[in-house]
Amino acid sequence: DTAVSQTPKYLVTQMGNDKSIKCEQNLGHDTMYWYKQDSKKFLKIMFSYNNKELIINETVPNRFSPKSPDKAHLNLHINSLELGDSAVYFCASRLGLAVNNEQFFGPGTRLTVL
Amino acid sequence: RKEVEQDPGPFNVPEGATVAFNCTYSNSASQSFFWYRQDCRKEPKLLMSVYSSGNEDGRFTAQLNRASQYISLLIRDSKLSDSATYLCVVNPTDSWGKLQFGAGTQVVVTP
Repeated sequence: DTAVSQTPKYLVTQMGNDKSIKCEQNLGHDTMYWYKQDSKKFLKIMFSYNNKELIINETVPNRFSPKSPDKAHLNLHINSLELGDSAVYFCASRLGLAVNNEQFFGPGTRLTVL
Repeated sequence: RKEVEQDPGPFNVPEGATVAFNCTYSNSASQSFFWYRQDCRKEPKLLMSVYSSGNEDGRFTAQLNRASQYISLLIRDSKLSDSATYLCVVNPTDSWGKLQFGAGTQVVVTP
């Protein structure tokens, strides 16, 4: 069974569109994250939720809005897509905030904005 | 200065050889350390945690030097399947789980 899953795996869309990426984890973890990995391969954290509460909100455009309907899900909605949004978006989850907790990543969503 | 710095490589390693590389971190309050492995077009996966006393997992050895604020990874008897990007990850204290990732060191093992 997949521990952290994301849909869709690939997303190709036009500039200006609104799109959503979904993430689900079946590990019973409390904490979930969204990361962006651009062409330079650097993983940048965007958001984190712990028990459905937003705890990390990095400096990202407000076109990006996360939503956590429950502890097992963390979705990412992006409005008015721009060319610079093209990247791979990874969801991750973690048991909790203890320092030694490992993060488990989803397979990634490769977003291409045309 | 970046919070976590790594030599991007690539490190070209003949099969069977040993390769080692470091990662430096800027936050002296960092509590835990990890090495993740990322294959091309795949997600990062935990390779090993790094403990204060250093630890070994098969052909992989990780070391932590708190005084100089770096961690290292050594791969012995390199296999073709070890070709990947190795991400150094640091977890500072009171960071709300905000792990700090290095940009990765690419290792290419050649026949």
